[in-house]
Amino acid sequence: KAGVTQTPRYLIKTRGQQVTLSCSPISGHRSVSWYQQTPGQGLQFLFEYFSETQRNKGNFPGRFSGRQFSNSRSEMNVSTLELGDSALYLCASSNTGTSTNEQFFGPGTRLTVL
Amino acid sequence: KNQVEQSPQSLIILEGKNCTLQCNYTVSPFSNLRWYKQDTGRGPVSLTIMTFSENTKSNGRYTATLDADTKQSSLHITASQLSDSASYICVVREMNYGGSQGNLIFGKGTKLSVKP
Repeated sequence: KAGVTQTPRYLIKTRGQQVTLSCSPISGHRSVSWYQQTPGQGLQFLFEYFSETQRNKGNFPGRFSGRQFSNSRSEMNVSTLELGDSALYLCASSNTGTSTNEQFFGPGTRLTVL
Repeated sequence: KNQVEQSPQSLIILEGKNCTLQCNYTVSPFSNLRWYKQDTGRGPVSLTIMTFSENTKSNGRYTATLDADTKQSSLHITASQLSDSASYICVVREMNYGGSQGNLIFGKGTKLSVKP
């Protein structure tokens, strides 16, 4: 069974631009979560989707948004990019979306904002 | 503010030795606590997950403990191997009032280096 895939793996953008990242969960998984990881702040939770509905949202500004499609694939969008948005963006999927269900992480998308 | 604090920030041990990583949290109420291992350049991999009613959970050479009264957890690694070199992250899931699951609160991790 294929793991969680994220595209693109690397991305370079300039301030003010917008970016869309994609995540394909493990086949059969209906829950997808997004995280931002930086050296200074560590991993921070962005949002969680289950069956196309956003179930939880972290403390990020409205420039960060996401959605989930009927096939469970998910995208996140960051508008008006800032230098501080440079980070590794991780996506994780799980089967039932219950709190104890194991999450499987993708390799991440490394975003650099110049 | 709900927080998760991990110690030490970094640790160097010799291959074959044991070590214990600490996690203190202020998240309350909480649903469960997880430990993840993250190799450099890769996504985290789940090691253990414990609900608030569990005290210990093992996964091979990894054993996690949880004391919900003192809000402390530890991850013990036995007979360390070079491949254990990684960051270990403690994560606590909030529980919303009403019992629904809330957000995940992450510690900043402990960077473990195992030397030959």
